[in-house]
Amino acid sequence: GENVEQHPSTLSVQEGDSAVIKCTYSDSASNYFPWYKQELGKGPQLIIDIRSNVGEKKDQRIAVTLNKTAKHFSLHITETQPEDSAVYFCAATTGNQFYFGTGTSLTVIP
Amino acid sequence: SAVISQKPSRDICQRGTSLTIQCQVDSQVTMMFWYRQQPGQSLTLIATANQGSEATYESGFVIDKFPISRPNLTFSTLTVSNMSPEDSSIYLCSAGPSSDTQYFGPGTRLTVL
Repeated sequence: GENVEQHPSTLSVQEGDSAVIKCTYSDSASNYFPWYKQELGKGPQLIIDIRSNVGEKKDQRIAVTLNKTAKHFSLHITETQPEDSAVYFCAATTGNQFYFGTGTSLTVIP
Repeated sequence: SAVISQKPSRDICQRGTSLTIQCQVDSQVTMMFWYRQQPGQSLTLIATANQGSEATYESGFVIDKFPISRPNLTFSTLTVSNMSPEDSSIYLCSAGPSSDTQYFGPGTRLTVL
């Protein structure tokens, strides 16, 4: 089955700096890669996603890049703000089951 | 996107009892899923709730322990049966219009004493 690895497990950045979280996957058939943000005491919230026919997608301060050849995808957050502090999960799927990364705890220091 | 609600939001239960968690979606969805999330951990899929048929369970999860109902396209329940302290966790419902799009509910935080 699919194996998704996520790094780093924790990340601290100064407010205004950028944050990058990376994931790798093993199944070349995976074709959809969502990113979720989970705030303390809440369920995961879908913040951005990318499909295998696209290399990059942006939504305001958030962007995701996908390298199908290397089987890795990354989340980029620019101009970080304290409200970006949360746990971020990547996932990969062929359309049948989601395989989640182990999560990255991001802390934005004011 | 789909808006998903869960009830209860949290509960404290005694060992040996059962708890039923409800998941309501604001629109008809094809796929509904139940996950478990241990504190500080990632999400583990328990089962796929199939409308009109038995749920499909992942390895390590059985119907006797986690019976699931899905009577229609907007509602599902997960029961945690004969609970032990090891069942203390966050239980999450997710749903989406297709198998590759999932939105999550707020979760049910379960503590078993």
